Amino acid sequence: DAGITQSPRHKVTETGTPVTLRCHQTENHRYMYWYRQDPGHGLRLIHYSYGVKDTDKGEVSDGYSVSRSKTEDFLLTLESATSSQTSVYFCAIRGRKGSYNEQFFGPGTRLTVL
Amino acid sequence: EDQVTQSPEALRLQEGESSSLNCSYTVSGLRGLFWYRQDPGKGPEFLFTLYSAGEEKEKERLKATLTKKESFLHITAPKPEDSATYLCAVQADVGGSNYKLTFGKGTLLTVNP
Repeated sequence: DAGITQSPRHKVTETGTPVTLRCHQTENHRYMYWYRQDPGHGLRLIHYSYGVKDTDKGEVSDGYSVSRSKTEDFLLTLESATSSQTSVYFCAIRGRKGSYNEQFFGPGTRLTVL
Repeated sequence: EDQVTQSPEALRLQEGESSSLNCSYTVSGLRGLFWYRQDPGKGPEFLFTLYSAGEEKEKERLKATLTKKESFLHITAPKPEDSATYLCAVQADVGGSNYKLTFGKGTLLTVNP
């Protein structure tokens, strides 16, 4: 989706290192979400934001923190990466023009923790 | 706790062979049920939102329907390009939900030429 970018798209890191993933949107949406997707589990919500500096936990938030200092950027940080955090991470926004409840997803970041 | 169960986990069809995917759900008040399509290596792509029992939405060869306990995604005369994973998600109508979605594990559809 052209309005949502994620960086990096791929990352390999080692256990114990900090990692930050970035989600950037160009459409001034208030709501942003971070999910992880794993085989056998589907998409699970990690954290979400409902405005600048307003964030809350999802169902799998342990080991993750987030920050949103400006509308367009939502950062996901793994303070000390573990192998169980190897996953594909997706960012989503809500509230695109012409929709209301629907969420629209970015292209994803594939993270491997060795 | 909201729950979404999709079946079957995988479905293989011949081109032109119509079928249906199922999404059953339990939620404390349904605000909306969503269908997404996901191609390998990409993010989910929004298809439909259904809000109330009896509602139907159509797009090309796809039609989504909703009852009080489940939704169906009907695929009529599928083509190989319809091959993808189809995801179902629900949104609860509760205060403070902040429009969070609960997803099923998806159905992997393969359409052979």
